[in-house]
Amino acid sequence: DVKVTQSSRYLVKRTGEKVFLECVQDMDHENMFWYRQDPGLGLRLIYFSYDVKMKEKGDIPEGYSVSREKKERFSLILESASTNQTSMYLCASSQDRINTEAFFGQGTRLTVV
Amino acid sequence: AQSVTQLDSQVPVFEEAPVELRCNYSSSVSVYLFWYVQYPNQGLQLLLKYLSGSTLVKGINGFEAEFNKSQTSFHLRKPSVHISDTAEYFCAVRHSGYSTLTFGKGTMLLVSP
Repeated sequence: DVKVTQSSRYLVKRTGEKVFLECVQDMDHENMFWYRQDPGLGLRLIYFSYDVKMKEKGDIPEGYSVSREKKERFSLILESASTNQTSMYLCASSQDRINTEAFFGQGTRLTVV
Repeated sequence: AQSVTQLDSQVPVFEEAPVELRCNYSSSVSVYLFWYVQYPNQGLQLLLKYLSGSTLVKGINGFEAEFNKSQTSFHLRKPSVHISDTAEYFCAVRHSGYSTLTFGKGTMLLVSP
């Protein structure tokens, strides 16, 4: 089975802290994605990566950065966490073929206080 | 730009009744369509996908969806729902030439006895 693992299910951080959300996939997928999910807004794409060290901005990249040093790992970084970044964060991966679906991790519920 | 509209934010239904969750997308090019389900505090799980061929697609847990190109719709149906189908359902589209999925805002299916 494809497995996408997010390092934390729940996180509580303070305003201004630097926050790292880690995601690892075990299926040698080329593409990896970070979404945030908020009630009534669905899933919004923050960043994605189609190769090691490559990244593309999604729809809401402001306040976030990403790192992909190895193919299996994709990290989301909140440089200075703010309360409006309290959300559920979902990592996903997919093969680099147009007709394939994305596989999702369990999500990280981040609360910034 | 890609967009997906899920017309109902919430659909209440009684157990064993049929249900239809509506999804419309915007596109003038080839599309690939997906329905995902999210149970409470979980990641997203693929229900079914339309890639090409037959417009009626069958998925897991007794769900099916019909691709209608002229209506740009991909509605999800189940003839008889169970309490365990209570979850949030997301429609997503991937357009030819794009690596990313665009999601609708989700429909919460609430099944009561």
